[in-house]
Amino acid sequence: DTEVTQTPKHLVMGMTNKKSLKCEQHMGHRAMYWYKQKAKKPPELMFVYSYEKLSINESVPSRFSPECPNSSLLNLHLHALQPEDSALYLCASSSLVVSGIEQFFGPGTRLTVL
Amino acid sequence: AQSVTQLGSHVSVSEGALVLLRCNYSSSVPPYLFWYVQYPNQGLQLLLKYTSAATLVKGINGFEAEFKKSETSFHLTKPSAHMSDAAEYFCAVRGGANNLFFGTGTRLTVIP
Repeated sequence: DTEVTQTPKHLVMGMTNKKSLKCEQHMGHRAMYWYKQKAKKPPELMFVYSYEKLSINESVPSRFSPECPNSSLLNLHLHALQPEDSALYLCASSSLVVSGIEQFFGPGTRLTVL
Repeated sequence: AQSVTQLGSHVSVSEGALVLLRCNYSSSVPPYLFWYVQYPNQGLQLLLKYTSAATLVKGINGFEAEFKKSETSFHLTKPSAHMSDAAEYFCAVRGGANNLFFGTGTRLTVIP
């Protein structure tokens, strides 16, 4: 299984809502990532988890809260978002054992904040 | 620090023509380089990767790339474009903390 799954595929939320994005992989990867991608732009790294511990936080606002409950799951909790947070949110995973190994990306969650 | 630069935000080719997408890298250590493709409203799919083995790397869908250290380049090519190749292409270099630094992307249009 070389697939990264993300749910939901689409999400519309108001600025006062609380929602969560979910990501799952069963490739035994011990690194998982959240990226944000605006239209016509490359993905921007938000968070990196290595061995279920947060290793990189790219100065992301606290209204985004990541969680890695186990080695297969990655969540992104959303609260009090702004319209400018509307974007495609991509999850990825990779091995930490082999150097140079690629990241496998999920299909993304299209988030719209009203 | 590692970075990549993609020359040309938009490339148009005729169906059957050569595809050439340019990527130059900057790295203080031997780089790990990747090309990803993204179709509309989808995630990123790996086309190929360079990990210091062979300098000519073959990928999926007929794409290949050549690592040229002297030119700090990793250009993506395909001999004959197909309509299904129309997409956004990203070059990326791996950072020291298991992260990827992406180029700004090149949108490929294939003209029938």
